[in-house]
Amino acid sequence: GAGVSQSPSNKVTEKGKDVELRCDPISGHTALYWYRQRLGQGLEFLIYFQGNSAPDKSGLPSDRFSAERTGESVSTLTIQRTQQEDSAVYLCASSQQLGGEYGYTFGSGTRLTVV
Amino acid sequence: SQELEQSPQSLIVQEGKNLTINCTSSKTLYGLYWYKQKYGEGLIFLMMLQKGGEEKSHEKITAKLDEKKQQSSLHITASQPSHAGIYLCGAPPGGTSYGKLTFGQGTILTVHP
Repeated sequence: GAGVSQSPSNKVTEKGKDVELRCDPISGHTALYWYRQRLGQGLEFLIYFQGNSAPDKSGLPSDRFSAERTGESVSTLTIQRTQQEDSAVYLCASSQQLGGEYGYTFGSGTRLTVV
Repeated sequence: SQELEQSPQSLIVQEGKNLTINCTSSKTLYGLYWYKQKYGEGLIFLMMLQKGGEEKSHEKITAKLDEKKQQSSLHITASQPSHAGIYLCGAPPGGTSYGKLTFGQGTILTVHP
């Protein structure tokens, strides 16, 4: 597609439930990133994938968070046993190469609300 | 860990006025990205600066990187309502860690017609 597509755009879930967020990167982009933006706070890095290399998971806040990527295609971010502090906008981005000299292209995000 | 501080936190200007937003890093800058975000939307890439002293322009927006001051400035000339939004700076933590960025808190820009 022309841009990075994320689904769902909005998700309301009950505390304790698992959620899965999806990201479709721009075709041909080898690098894919997940960030989180909590209300009143800046963007927090979560994880990135680059080609066949092992993902950098150093930003994942707890073991309830995991992410997968199929080849250089779709990625899913899974949050298990959601907590209220997980409420945030989850942003996915992709770039042609790691570091994105031409900038990362961000999706519109998934707004997650845990009630 | 690296921290980026943006100033001002918010800015209200009249259409046609010039303005500057600053981004100061607590550590050496290996590169600096500027993004713009509108409410409910993703981030729009504006430009990336890689070398000290580098200056880039995109339409009426100019950004500079001052390595010595560990700072970047974003300057908008003759602001328009379309410039309104949240401006974010982001930087990689090190020369080999371009995969993840640390972002500033953002500067909220309002432009009154």
